[in-house]
Amino acid sequence: QVTLKESGPVLVKPTETLTLTCTVSGFSLSNTRMGVSWIRQPPGKALEWLAHIFSNDEKSYSTSLKPRLTISKDTSKSQVVLTMTNMDPVDTATYYCARYGDYIDYWGQGTLVTVSS
Amino acid sequence: SYELTQPPSVSVSPGQTANITCSGDKLGDKDASWYQQKPGQSPVLVIYQDRKRPSGIPERFSGSNSGNTATLTISGTQAMDEADYFCQAWDSRTASVVFGGGTKLTVL
Repeated sequence: QVTLKESGPVLVKPTETLTLTCTVSGFSLSNTRMGVSWIRQPPGKALEWLAHIFSNDEKSYSTSLKPRLTISKDTSKSQVVLTMTNMDPVDTATYYCARYGDYIDYWGQGTLVTVSS
Repeated sequence: SYELTQPPSVSVSPGQTANITCSGDKLGDKDASWYQQKPGQSPVLVIYQDRKRPSGIPERFSGSNSGNTATLTISGTQAMDEADYFCQAWDSRTASVVFGGGTKLTVL
């Protein structure tokens, strides 16, 4: 059974750095066909893709947010970590991690992150 | 960057057919996926590789993709299908996942 679960702070202050962890089970992060993406969704708004990490450790980032994002993985811990620097209230959103092969077949439950002083 | 455009809303009467479109430059050359999202829930894959249905998705959901437009069709729409629907494609040029802006389907 494939599962993904996001964890991290529910509240961050403006200018702080957000660190989110996605813990996966039911598949290996070294699986050559599968990678993990981070996606966010502000309340009432659309999905926005943030970053992706491939099984070979190659990374890809949203062009608009690339300067602020870092994605990494620890295969032995089955974890994918996303950091986003210089958080702003507009970054308030539910953050999802998801398994991506040729499409997203599994999503985490999401974690709501609020940016406020 | 690559963009996908969806109508903000679509309305349909119960039992009728709903068509939700997704437009992008030469989208037909890419694989399109569709996700259903109900309030407070994570998205669920309903169509992948243009027209394939994952296990557990009702047959009333179907998809097509040609030219610049992908279409999600829901035949015999039911009240339970009321949700937001997002299309998605992979932009190989930038190695990016791209989502459409979403369409709110209302069944009334």
